Amino acid sequence: DAKTTQPTSMDCAEGRAANLPCNHSTISGNEYVYWYRQIHSQGPQYIIHGLKNNETNEMASLIITEDRKSSTLILPHATLRDTAVYYCIVRVAMVQGGKLIFGQGTELSVKP
Amino acid sequence: GAVVSQHPSWVICKSGTSVKIECRSLDFQATTMFWYRQFPKQSLMLMATSNEGSKATYEQGVEKDKFLINHASLTLSTLTVTSAHPEDSSFYICSARQGSEQYFGPGTRLTVT
Repeated sequence: DAKTTQPTSMDCAEGRAANLPCNHSTISGNEYVYWYRQIHSQGPQYIIHGLKNNETNEMASLIITEDRKSSTLILPHATLRDTAVYYCIVRVAMVQGGKLIFGQGTELSVKP
Repeated sequence: GAVVSQHPSWVICKSGTSVKIECRSLDFQATTMFWYRQFPKQSLMLMATSNEGSKATYEQGVEKDKFLINHASLTLSTLTVTSAHPEDSSFYICSARQGSEQYFGPGTRLTVT
């Protein structure tokens, strides 16, 4: 599975959009981009995933560049409860043996 | 839907004893479950993949005789930490596969004294 690079930490003001970048320059054509987050002392929570098209759900939007070498997770209106470590992971489909291998993630602090 | 539970949520045991952690998929059947370990201020580390009715597949460096995994049914996987030592103190998290997705349990905090 390809590796990802994320900033170690970021701050965001409450109510503003949080944009979390992720580099995955060695991503393969059959690898998906997944985002999970982990609030302190809890299990990871699925946020969103995509292959090459931009995706949006009730939690966030995922913007993937055309060359797929990087992506951005957007939390449109961050709240204090969005403070967590956000993990960007690339993997092939599970039917192909894909596993979720976690990197260090980005620690997002949402401030009042 | 897609709820995964773990029991216990925390446990304290004495060095040399064994501890069993349960992972259940509450509203779906999971042919595959995963076990992770997380030390303070570190990321999750995949320990092993368990498939219902077969032996678990361990990641490199994980001792299979120390971390016994059983996946006897489609809704239950167990992790037994045998002869626990203080360095085994960690946050253990399971995950269950539903279709093409993976859902995580709340974790179990193990402290070995």
